[in-house]
Amino acid sequence: EPEVTQTPSHQVTQMGQEVILRCVPISNHLYFYWYRQILGQKVEFLVSFYNNEISEKSEIFDDQFSVERPDGSNFTLKIRSTKLEDSAMYFCADRGQPMNTEAFFGQGTRLTVV
Amino acid sequence: GNSVTQMEGPVTLSEEAFLTINCTYTATGYPSLFWYVQYPGEGLQLLLKATKADDKGSNKGFEATYRKETTSFHLEKGSVQVSDSAVYFCALSDRSSSASKIIFGSGTRLSIRP
Repeated sequence: EPEVTQTPSHQVTQMGQEVILRCVPISNHLYFYWYRQILGQKVEFLVSFYNNEISEKSEIFDDQFSVERPDGSNFTLKIRSTKLEDSAMYFCADRGQPMNTEAFFGQGTRLTVV
Repeated sequence: GNSVTQMEGPVTLSEEAFLTINCTYTATGYPSLFWYVQYPGEGLQLLLKATKADDKGSNKGFEATYRKETTSFHLEKGSVQVSDSAVYFCALSDRSSSASKIIFGSGTRLSIRP
């Protein structure tokens, strides 16, 4: 299975601080997602990103969130001012091209807001 | 809108038992269907997929058949092992939309007793 790498594996931050979660997708791929999973709960869609633009976002993805691919390789999720309820596992997924059927997920970043 | 419904867990079985985890879906287009598995402390791994009606996905002894008439994609395994203990997520992606996200069910926790 192709490898999607996320860093860091675990981040602890104080409420109100900014965090940046990083994902290194598979080379030359263009279509990515961010998902989150609050402990023991459902995997929730945050945003999809195709060809360097947001293609769809959920209600969760409010103004506190942003995504970008600044250098053409790393794909980042920024949370501007973290809240306690942002504590979750955040997963990056790589779909490659829109016509692909499946997506490959990274190992996740566990974000803990204290 | 599109959605996925899975049987609630947890499911506890003895080793070598037969496993069924039910999954039904609602979709307006032509979905691809997936089962993802999440082992303890790990990310989401694609277990199997089916892209059209009557397709059977299989991997590691697990099978699921895409049933359009019953809008179902039940996961089965003839003889489970302790190492199969994990959370299993049924998911769909609607290929009729180029910006289609993957939608997950709520997950079913499976525990296998030795």
